[in-house]
Amino acid sequence: EADIYQTPRYLVIGTGKKITLECSQTMGHDKMYWYQQDPGMELHLIHYSYGVNSTEKGDLSSESTVSRIRTEHFPLTLESARPSHTSQYLCASSSRGWWTEAFFGQGTRLTVV
Amino acid sequence: AQKVTQAQTEISVVEKEDVTLDCVYETRDTTYYLFWYKQPPSGELVFLIRRNSFDEQNEISGRYSWNFQKSTSSFNFTITASQVVDSAVYFCALSEASDQGAQKLVFGQGTRLTINP
Repeated sequence: EADIYQTPRYLVIGTGKKITLECSQTMGHDKMYWYQQDPGMELHLIHYSYGVNSTEKGDLSSESTVSRIRTEHFPLTLESARPSHTSQYLCASSSRGWWTEAFFGQGTRLTVV
Repeated sequence: AQKVTQAQTEISVVEKEDVTLDCVYETRDTTYYLFWYKQPPSGELVFLIRRNSFDEQNEISGRYSWNFQKSTSSFNFTITASQVVDSAVYFCALSEASDQGAQKLVFGQGTRLTINP
């Protein structure tokens, strides 16, 4: 069973608000990731981190930002939410290298009205 | 650039039927890994299997089996004697070798599988 947690599970928020989606893992994994899942189910990598103080942009451009101050914590922030940000956001982590499986949280379903 | 295609958007079968989920991938790398994940209604992706590009052996795990064929760039997933609990969205994904070991998965579009009692 994966030990990676996301809060909140569901969030409905008004346009223009600043939001932070939380992601924590207790497995001591160096690498962490954020994926965006659109309503059509496709998943796209938007951010990842090799370790503390490392953040990189993924393949899908995103207006969100991330930080990695502690190994176990990888929050995602939207400074000004818009309806186009409505999506499911999934956090994941992995150990060792690119060949290992990733462990996923249950996701945050964000709706911006 | 890498790409994963799952042509079947939705599949619906009756319990106990066998069902195969197709996955076709594109990559220029010779070293890569392929994965299958299951996404139940609770939302998280659950790892099912990985296969590296040098290992074309098929794998069986209980009712699940996987067929990897490099010649056709396919990595298909078969559920034998399906059960209602198998209902979920299934994703095929590709990971290529990267510096510093970050795993940047490229996912297929997913196949929503519904098993009817």
